[in-house]
Amino acid sequence: AQTVTQSQPEMSVQEAETVTLSCTYDTSESDYYLFWYKQPPSRQMILVIRQEAYKQQNATENRFSVNFQKAAKSFSLKISDSQLGDAAMYFCAYRSNTNAGKSTFGDGTTLTVKP
Amino acid sequence: KAGVTQTPRYLIKTRGQQVTLSCSPISGHRSVSWYQQTPGQGLQFLFEYFSETQRNKGNFPGRFSGRQFSNSRSEMNVSTLELGDSALYLCASSLAGGGLETQYFGPGTRLLVL
Repeated sequence: AQTVTQSQPEMSVQEAETVTLSCTYDTSESDYYLFWYKQPPSRQMILVIRQEAYKQQNATENRFSVNFQKAAKSFSLKISDSQLGDAAMYFCAYRSNTNAGKSTFGDGTTLTVKP
Repeated sequence: KAGVTQTPRYLIKTRGQQVTLSCSPISGHRSVSWYQQTPGQGLQFLFEYFSETQRNKGNFPGRFSGRQFSNSRSEMNVSTLELGDSALYLCASSLAGGGLETQYFGPGTRLLVL
């Protein structure tokens, strides 16, 4: 079974600074996808960024980028120029191509942004 | 385009009762997945429906069931409620449930079992 581990329950960052959230996963599959989701307090979960495992190039979406290390099964999220609106719980998620309707989530990291 | 909607948003039940939660996916989306979110267990996959068929199922007891209608709307039912069923229940929809597809989440139904 696949597992996703987020070892940082809480992180904080100063506004305009950069922060990196960690995620490791375990799988025996070769064809899968990785995601970072953001869940603001009392608001809906939204997709931040996604990565296909077969792509070596790290995904980037504006201020958000990932460091995908397939051999190490590591998938960290870097948030640059942090903004107050980035404060939320962030979830790392795994989805296989054979069981695509199911996402396996980590326990989440609560990010606080200090003004 | 309207987002994923879930009804009701809040629900209070007592042990032993049953409850039905509803999820309306984004128009055109045929895959609906359900998740249970609790502080202790995090986000756990319940099941996924595609074209009225359950395609995936998580490790939950048989008290948890679901179905999907021809318009892709989905319901989940929990029978004989237990205190531990108190949680935020999220549904997510996507076009066909493909691996790379974005799953769009609803606001959730917060269930409290007393």
